[in-house]
Amino acid sequence: GNSVTQMEGPVTLSEEAFLTINCTYTATGYPSLFWYVQYPGEGLQLLLKATKADDKGSNKGFEATYRKETTSFHLEKGSVQVSDSAVYFCALRIQGAQKLVFGQGTRLTINP
Amino acid sequence: DTAVSQTPKYLVTQMGNDKSIKCEQNLGHDTMYWYKQDSKKFLKIMFSYNNKELIINETVPNRFSPKSPDKAHLNLHINSLELGDSAVYFCASSQVGGGDQPQHFGDGTRLSIL
Repeated sequence: GNSVTQMEGPVTLSEEAFLTINCTYTATGYPSLFWYVQYPGEGLQLLLKATKADDKGSNKGFEATYRKETTSFHLEKGSVQVSDSAVYFCALRIQGAQKLVFGQGTRLTINP
Repeated sequence: DTAVSQTPKYLVTQMGNDKSIKCEQNLGHDTMYWYKQDSKKFLKIMFSYNNKELIINETVPNRFSPKSPDKAHLNLHINSLELGDSAVYFCASSQVGGGDQPQHFGDGTRLSIL
């Protein structure tokens, strides 16, 4: 089946630290990969996406590269801010399918 | 100019009651979804409609009945509410496409069953 596994949270970092949130997937077809972010009390917002192997998605200083050989889509940011505190979801969508399959989410807290 | 809007934002009710959650999108998308987020933040698809037709029904109890009067609206009616229905319910929409079309989410409806 199709599934997404994210690193266990919560993750707590100091401001300006380097961030990595690991995400790996299993898929029966060719997935597109997404990172969504959920700020407290809000819905999910698309952060970035990649649709084929070796694509790099980037937005707001965050990056993730679609690695087919390791079936991974790790999220990185070079210098986090307090405003990055949120829950981050990795997700996949199979070509031709409608639903998103989500990872379990990783709660990130950035301390000043 | 909210893209995907859900009402109500909070819903507190007694076990056994019937309640509805409404969702509207003004993005011109042809596909809409309901997701359930449990207390551990895990998100799972419940239903998806494309142009008012049901295309995904993920083994959800038949107490849950989605209704799509037009492609801009997807409402969720829940009969005989149970304690386990307490969760945050998210509506989303997207264009049908090759799998790379992102889904746009509403802010969620937090349902609490007493």
